[in-house]
Amino acid sequence: EDQVTQSPEALRLQEGESSSLNCSYTVSGLRGLFWYRQDPGKGPEFLFTLYSAGEEKEKERLKATLTKKESFLHITAPKPEDSATYLCAVRGGANSKLTFGKGITLSVRP
Amino acid sequence: NAGVTQTPKFQVLKTGQSMTLQCAQDMNHEYMSWYRQDPGMGLRLIHYSVGAGITDQGEVPNGYNVSRSTTEDFPLRLLSAAPSQTSVYFCVIGAANTEAFFGQGTRLTVV
Repeated sequence: EDQVTQSPEALRLQEGESSSLNCSYTVSGLRGLFWYRQDPGKGPEFLFTLYSAGEEKEKERLKATLTKKESFLHITAPKPEDSATYLCAVRGGANSKLTFGKGITLSVRP
Repeated sequence: NAGVTQTPKFQVLKTGQSMTLQCAQDMNHEYMSWYRQDPGMGLRLIHYSVGAGITDQGEVPNGYNVSRSTTEDFPLRLLSAAPSQTSVYFCVIGAANTEAFFGQGTRLTVV
């Protein structure tokens, strides 16, 4: 069975303090690893897709990386508006089922 | 949420009532699914479909029914609502190797 574990559950940073969010996964036949951002009361918003180990994607202050067992979402010099819950998901197997982690709640203080 | 229309946005039900959450897409994606999101539990898969006429159970299917008569629509039916079904529900669509697209969500309260 596919599994996704995200850590830490919550992270509090000072504005400008860089850090990383972790997503560990086990999946039968990875067909994609996805990062989403979710603001309170809203649906998840797509950030990145990674398909193979060694792949990296960047968008503004965010950079996602992928190994065979985990993915990291690196946040460089975060701002208060980066505060949100960040979700990781994997798609694997023949049925394309998506499995989500429980999310990491990031709070960035000014 | 472009391409995925989920209704209603809010709903209050009494215990024992039934209702249908609607999900429609215009992106021609084969994969459609329903998730519920609860504090501390994350997003859990209820039912999913890989094409018209094909449905399968996810992690938490009890108390819910689905059908997929067309590519565009994937309704979720609550047969007899229970307080444990109070949650936020998302319709999620996608293709095999693309990102998933979320509906706007339905906040359901069962009293």
